[in-house]
Amino acid sequence: SQQGEEDPQALSIQEGENATMNCSYKTSINNLQWYRQNSGRGLVHLILIRSNEREKHSGRLRVTLDTSKKSSSLLITASRAADTASYFCATESLNEKLTFGTGTRLTIIP
Amino acid sequence: DVKVTQSSRYLVKRTGEKVFLECVQDMDHENMFWYRQDPGLGLRLIYFSYDVKMKEKGDIPEGYSVSREKKERFSLILESASTNQTSMYLCASTNGDGIYEQYFGPGTRLTVT
Repeated sequence: SQQGEEDPQALSIQEGENATMNCSYKTSINNLQWYRQNSGRGLVHLILIRSNEREKHSGRLRVTLDTSKKSSSLLITASRAADTASYFCATESLNEKLTFGTGTRLTIIP
Repeated sequence: DVKVTQSSRYLVKRTGEKVFLECVQDMDHENMFWYRQDPGLGLRLIYFSYDVKMKEKGDIPEGYSVSREKKERFSLILESASTNQTSMYLCASTNGDGIYEQYFGPGTRLTVT
């Protein structure tokens, strides 16, 4: 069952601009995580935000969580060509299982 | 650094063959997972395991089985491969102490002809 849905499905921006992608989910969660996947590779964990947190930062990444709206956003500031990848949100509800969304494909144009 | 390895990056098998996908992690993680990834569908959980010899069905277990005889190794088995099992297969692991970040292997792209 699909829990998270990312929006937009694809995003192209100029290098140096900020990129924002959103995730909506359906049921109560313990935490929400964001992952990055470079083409044809495995996923890499970026950041985790717990259900009692509203905002979290890690380097150029900023994640917000609004549990009342069941939504999260990932902001990447000052984008670089190396940020080109697919980004997935994943929600953890119970038993340490993650449910992934369908992803946002981000392209940074040099 | 945690390392999760998968036995093959690319695999081509014929319909009806028995297929084994192997995953090994080197950080003594308790929990291991198998996903498949298809365009437009994201990652879907096939099976997971919390401990040696334990397994739990995920969202799409049909046509698959798993084996976990050792803590570091989690195998996915396609008993009789079919063309609709052509996909990217991803293995992941995580410890069991309440930190839920999953570490992924590089993936195996399986083609069933």
